[in-house]
Formats: sequence, C-alpha cells, structure tokens
Amino acid sequence: GIQVEQSPPDLILQEGANSTLRCNFSDSVNNLQWFHQNPWGQLINLFYIPSGTKQNGRLSATTVATERYSLLYISSSQTTDSGVYFCAVRPLNAGGTSYGKLTFGQGTILTVHP
Amino acid sequence: DGGITQSPKYLFRKEGQNVTLSCEQNLNHDAMYWYRQDPGQGLRLIYYSQIVNDFQKGDIAEGYSVSREKKESFPLTVTSAQKNPTAFYLCASSSLGAGATNYGYTFGSGTRLTVV
Repeated sequence: GIQVEQSPPDLILQEGANSTLRCNFSDSVNNLQWFHQNPWGQLINLFYIPSGTKQNGRLSATTVATERYSLLYISSSQTTDSGVYFCAVRPLNAGGTSYGKLTFGQGTILTVHP
Repeated sequence: DGGITQSPKYLFRKEGQNVTLSCEQNLNHDAMYWYRQDPGQGLRLIYYSQIVNDFQKGDIAEGYSVSREKKESFPLTVTSAQKNPTAFYLCASSSLGAGATNYGYTFGSGTRLTVV
C-alpha cells in the first residue's frame, strides 16, 4: 500500500516562530488532507489539498503532486498550535473518485513554548 | 451546528464483553469511517461505509463489526474476538460524488476504550 512519511517527528518552537512540516508519499494521490489533533484528542481538518496552494490565516499548505510531497507552513506560532499534525492521503490507483479511505502518516508532534 | 457526535467519551470493558460505540452525524455526508489510534501512533482504518446498508473492511477489521441502517448513524461494535481493544476510537464522515468540492473529513471527539 501507499507509504506516508512525515517529518520532522518532533518539533519544539518558541512562540512567534515559523515552521514547515513535510509529508512525503510513495504514490500518486487524488486526496490529501492535513489535520491538527489537540491534546484532548480532537482532530480538526486544516486543509483538503490534493494539489496546489491554500492559505487559512497563519496556516498555509502546498502540495506538489508530481513530486509526491506536501508542506504545511505555520507562521507566528502560538501555544494553541501545539499538538500533533497528521497528513493523510488516498492513492489515485484506488479508484477514480476522490472520496474513500485515507492512509495516515505517523504525525509531527509540535510543542510551542510561551 | 452540524457535526459528528460520538458517545460515550470513556468506556470500560470487561474481558469477554462486546461493547458498542455510537457515532451520529448531521452533516448529510454519505461516507462514514471508523479509525483506531494507539498511543503515539497514527490512525488505522477499521471499517468504512459509503452508502446505507453497505460497508467495507479497512486495514484492521478483525474483532470489530459495524452496521449502517441510517445515513446519520454508523455504530461500531468491539467484540470479544478483538484481543487488544484498549485504544482511542475516532469516527469521521465526508462528502461523496463528483459534485462535491471538498472531500475533507470531519471527525468526532472520540471514545477512549479501556479493558479492565
């Protein structure tokens, strides 16, 4: 099956710093999503981004589908950004539609200190 | 507000018992999913359903069962055959169909199951 690798596994920042999280995947995809899991376990969808670039406030994401990677940028980090960031994908060869089961990476644990 | 409700938040199971986790959504999503998360790990797919009265096994379906009698509901039963059920269980839903512009998942808040 498709492999999803996230880096770095752990990241520690001071409040106000910027960071870049990376997601590499081993096959072509038609669905890629970034999630933030807070310390209480709630997963929030940050971006649905199978290709291109999107921005939402201090967060932005870019997926270069032809090179099989995606980047999540966090600017001016805040303590509330702490948690685990997951990338999840669905391989193109799984079928012609964009819905369906996702394969998750192992996540990047982000800690932002005040 | 639209969303997904999982219940209970915490569940304790004795050895040999079956337990059922509830998942209800009012987002009018066609697809629903159950994932399992172990400490420090990513999410692994247990079962998913794209339409009422139909569902497919995910990567770790053994010891679990599901039903999809209504579009809004996708309960998960953890049977006594599941040898290591202690984990965090997450339910999600998403849109289907060529007309959708966003296939992003919405997750519930999860159920923590512990075997005692």
